[in-house]
Amino acid sequence: GENVEQHPSTLSVQEGDSAVIKCTYSDSASNYFPWYKQELGKRPQLIIDIRSNVGEKKDQRIAVTLNKTAKHFSLHITETQPEDSAVYFCAASVDNFNKFYFGSGTKLNVKP
Amino acid sequence: ETGVTQTPRHLVMGMTNKKSLKCEQHLGHNAMYWYKQSAKKPLELMFVYNFKEQTENNSVPSRFSPECPNSSHLFLHLHTLQPEDSALYLCASSQEGSDTQYFGPGTRLTVL
Repeated sequence: GENVEQHPSTLSVQEGDSAVIKCTYSDSASNYFPWYKQELGKRPQLIIDIRSNVGEKKDQRIAVTLNKTAKHFSLHITETQPEDSAVYFCAASVDNFNKFYFGSGTKLNVKP
Repeated sequence: ETGVTQTPRHLVMGMTNKKSLKCEQHLGHNAMYWYKQSAKKPLELMFVYNFKEQTENNSVPSRFSPECPNSSHLFLHLHTLQPEDSALYLCASSQEGSDTQYFGPGTRLTVL
């Protein structure tokens, strides 16, 4: 089965700096890669996703890059703000199989 | 948010108790999921239902018994649980053909 690894487990940055979280996956059949943000005591919420037919996707301060050959994808947050502080999860799945494999999460702390 | 709701939000039970967790989605989706979220571990997929049929049972012990009476409701029946089953149990839903999963707020379960 699929194995998703996520690094780092914790990340502390100064407000305004960039943050990068990386994930690797093992199953070359995986073709959909969402990122979820989970604030303390709240449910995970989708913030951005990418499919294997593109290499990069941006949404304001958030971007995701995908390297299919190397089987890794990354979340980039620019101009971080204190409200970006949360746990971020990556995931990988194969279209139409309804089975998601999650990374272990990265706790991001943005210091004001 | 009212898209995916879960009750109860908190549950404390003894190892000999029987209880049920409830999930309801108001999004018109046809796939529902149970996840277990333990501290410092990846989100673990437990069960998947598509159109009320169970399509995935991720080697979950029989002390967890899911039930999906219709595409809007999902239950997780619990009996003779162990302390290591203490975790946050998250329900999610999605629409076939779309990979986006919407999570409920979770039930924080403590087994004494």
